[in-house]
Amino acid sequence: DAGVIQSPRHEVTEMGQEVTLRCKPISGHDYLFWYRQTMMRGLELLIYFNNNVPIDDSGMPEDRFSAKMPNASFSTLKIQPSEPRDSAVYFCASSWTGVETQYFGPGTRLLVL
Amino acid sequence: QKEVEQDPGPLSVPEGAIVSLNCTYSNSAFQYFMWYRQYSRKGPELLMYTYSSGNKEDGRFTAQVDKSSKYISLFIRDSQPSDSATYLCAQLDFGNEKLTFGTGTRLTIIP
Repeated sequence: DAGVIQSPRHEVTEMGQEVTLRCKPISGHDYLFWYRQTMMRGLELLIYFNNNVPIDDSGMPEDRFSAKMPNASFSTLKIQPSEPRDSAVYFCASSWTGVETQYFGPGTRLLVL
Repeated sequence: QKEVEQDPGPLSVPEGAIVSLNCTYSNSAFQYFMWYRQYSRKGPELLMYTYSSGNKEDGRFTAQVDKSSKYISLFIRDSQPSDSATYLCAQLDFGNEKLTFGTGTRLTIIP
């Protein structure tokens, strides 16, 4: 298996622009997690899905952030409009059984100017 | 105060030394703890997990939890240059599928 796939790997955009991050989980995994990592705050859970249904989005910082999982093999995290403080590395992770067995993707490095 | 605190380092030690990485936690309700290793520009990968107090050993790695002091530790014996990475501790809330991470300690093993 190719592991969790994320795209793009790097994104540079200007403040106010819409940003869409993509994730393909490992086949057969029922759980999908989106995280954000910064130097100051570390790794934080934004939202997670189980069987394509959003279960907990309490970590989504504000309404500018939204996430969808239209099917078992694809998820998106969208930021609209983007702000410089959104600059971070965004990770997607997937799992069969739950957060304790999750596998992380390589991340998307986002820089908002 | 963050729920899980971790000294960010950086920490540099010579090859072959014993490394001690430490975290403290504030919420005693959750007793599963995990250690992740993250190489530069990669996603974290699970290294070890422990439950409640005591030690757990896996090869050169030992994870330790001290409930009385709310302290968790990861020891690396016979450290190798390939151990150079950022190490993240995390506390697991099983019921809510939530991991609370420390900010990570950056470790460099000098050949």
